[in-house]
Amino acid sequence: DAKTTQPPSMDCAEGRAANLPCNHSTISGNEYVYWYRQIHSQGPQYIIHGLKNNETNEMASLIITEDRKSSTLILPHATLRDTAVYYCIVRLLLMDSSYKLIFGSGTRLLVRP
Amino acid sequence: DGGITQSPKYLFRKEGQNVTLSCEQNLNHDAMYWYRQDPGQGLRLIYYSQIVNDFQKGDIAEGYSVSREKKESFPLTVTSAQKNPTAFYLCASRDRGLRGAGELFFGEGSRLTVL
Repeated sequence: DAKTTQPPSMDCAEGRAANLPCNHSTISGNEYVYWYRQIHSQGPQYIIHGLKNNETNEMASLIITEDRKSSTLILPHATLRDTAVYYCIVRLLLMDSSYKLIFGSGTRLLVRP
Repeated sequence: DGGITQSPKYLFRKEGQNVTLSCEQNLNHDAMYWYRQDPGQGLRLIYYSQIVNDFQKGDIAEGYSVSREKKESFPLTVTSAQKNPTAFYLCASRDRGLRGAGELFFGEGSRLTVL
């Protein structure tokens, strides 16, 4: 199973873009990249996912490199409420249509006023 | 509103006692999962279930047991065999029909402390 590497912490100013990197150099062809975030002592919240193409939704954008070995989550205009731990996860889809998420330690993002 | 409900939110137990954590979902999801989280760390998979009356061990199943008698319910029992049960426990579910997609929906968690 592919694993991910993220910086342990980052910070950015409120209103600016937050760019969170993730390395998944051992990812294989059928493994998706998912991003979740977790605000202290709450359940993780889904943000976005992708396989090969860049993706955008109302929360964030996901940029995946052409070789798929790394990706970047972009929060275009960070707010104080975006302060959380962000997890980059590789999801392996198994033959029985189940899948396994491998969580690392994540990046603790602090948005400064 | 649809969602996942975990109870209790906080639980204290004495060493040697079994304890059962409840997880109920009204999202009509087939798949359900239990994760454990220790301070400052990511989530680790304990057990998962793809369908009623079937479940599989995850990465850290020792000392835990589950049942899946109903689609909406997936209780986790932390037995006395679990060496370090103090942790934050998270339940999640997924729409199994969405192949290639289908994010996990998480509950708010249950914090277990062994005294």
